[in-house]
Amino acid sequence: ETGVTQTPRHLVMGMTNKKSLKCEQHLGHNAMYWYKQSAKKPLELMFVYNFKEQTENNSVPSRFSPECPNSSHLFLHLHTLQPEDSALYLCASSQEAGGNSPLHFGNGTRLTVT
Amino acid sequence: AQSVTQLGSHVSVSEGALVLLRCNYSSSVPPYLFWYVQYPNQGLQLLLKYTTGATLVKGINGFEAEFKKSETSFHLTKPSAHMSDAAEYFCAVSGNAGGTSYGKLTFGQGTILTVHP
Repeated sequence: ETGVTQTPRHLVMGMTNKKSLKCEQHLGHNAMYWYKQSAKKPLELMFVYNFKEQTENNSVPSRFSPECPNSSHLFLHLHTLQPEDSALYLCASSQEAGGNSPLHFGNGTRLTVT
Repeated sequence: AQSVTQLGSHVSVSEGALVLLRCNYSSSVPPYLFWYVQYPNQGLQLLLKYTTGATLVKGINGFEAEFKKSETSFHLTKPSAHMSDAAEYFCAVSGNAGGTSYGKLTFGQGTILTVHP
């Protein structure tokens, strides 16, 4: 496999459920990101990890909990979500967490909170 | 601080016509500029980027963009549209601050390109 792989592609969960999104990159990159894409809104950066260390938390509610066990894997743990959290969640990676390193995106997880 | 404005949330062209997608940015430091494309049910894919040097950059699928500092613009063009170009296009900017911007790409709201036969 190559590129950035996200699972699952689709997820429906109730507000009291706990679920996790998984992201894996096979590009040898050192930085990984979570973005939220909602309809009619710009992409929102949620978290940045550089060499497994979290370097950015963009005021994300605590019901979203990221985990980065190594430079190739990134998780987003979800609990007690709200309907407004329904969105496409995109994982991305880059060679380094620097301004000119282009991001490589996965195909996203379409999350619906009921 | 940085921001991106994409003029026109929807652009419609005929197959074979010129494609022009507009992007204006603001940045307090010299910018890095990017265009990404998103096809339905997929993530974003890099089309092209400007970092330093030549202001006209060429990307994949016949697209190109020109960095115009005086106009703070980075418009995306393609001489002849193809049906397969139908997608959503995002302009993005990050700051050239010695590599310390930690990938803080700021994205525009996107422009949906429709190509008519």
